[in-house]
Amino acid sequence: AQKITQTQPGMFVQEKEAVTLDCTYDTSDQSYGLFWYKQPSSGEMIFLIYQGSYDEQNATEGRYSLNFQKARKSANLVISASQLGDSAMYFCAMREASNSGYALNFGKGTSLLVTP
Amino acid sequence: DTGVSQDPRHKITKRGQNVTFRCDPISEHNRLYWYRQTLGQGPEFLTYFQNEAQLEKSRLLSDRFSAERPKGSFSTLEIQRTEQGDSAMYLCASSQQGLQETQYFGPGTRLLVL
Repeated sequence: AQKITQTQPGMFVQEKEAVTLDCTYDTSDQSYGLFWYKQPSSGEMIFLIYQGSYDEQNATEGRYSLNFQKARKSANLVISASQLGDSAMYFCAMREASNSGYALNFGKGTSLLVTP
Repeated sequence: DTGVSQDPRHKITKRGQNVTFRCDPISEHNRLYWYRQTLGQGPEFLTYFQNEAQLEKSRLLSDRFSAERPKGSFSTLEIQRTEQGDSAMYLCASSQQGLQETQYFGPGTRLLVL
């Protein structure tokens, strides 16, 4: 079963506008971590933001914020004031406490295109 | 602060040849991961080291794949008798064990098997 679901294969947003990228997850663990990564065409995965399952506040990092709704098992990424350089693939990932390897499970990603 | 580095960045090989990739993690990180990413997919976990010990291997890691991390520093991933299905991006990540542990990725090695 898919652990991470990203339902938007592609998104468009105009420069300076805000955009929300959706992510839902599936786990029976009480302790887990949720991550968002950005992957430009160069291929490197760039860490953006982290949310722990016990964190009561939504995580924020500069223009990035994570809208964490635990009961709905969703962890949407919000990018405010989009810039042309934000055009990239965005991946949601989860690490579960029960996973002894501490590996990340990734979704299939959302391609974001920021237009002038 | 030096990030994760990988070498080579690109590799083209013929089916049946052996290839080896290298990953240098962030120096203070004790955990190291290898992932494989094919076109249109997110990265998939291959294997994980804590210091020099290989603690977890995915079912994706067939007998043709072997990974090492001698002395708990850099790591190598070798693929023997490459097949066209091995064509992918191979990503290395490292992390420091602890709360809010975050994996930082290298630039990846793109492998093309002809």
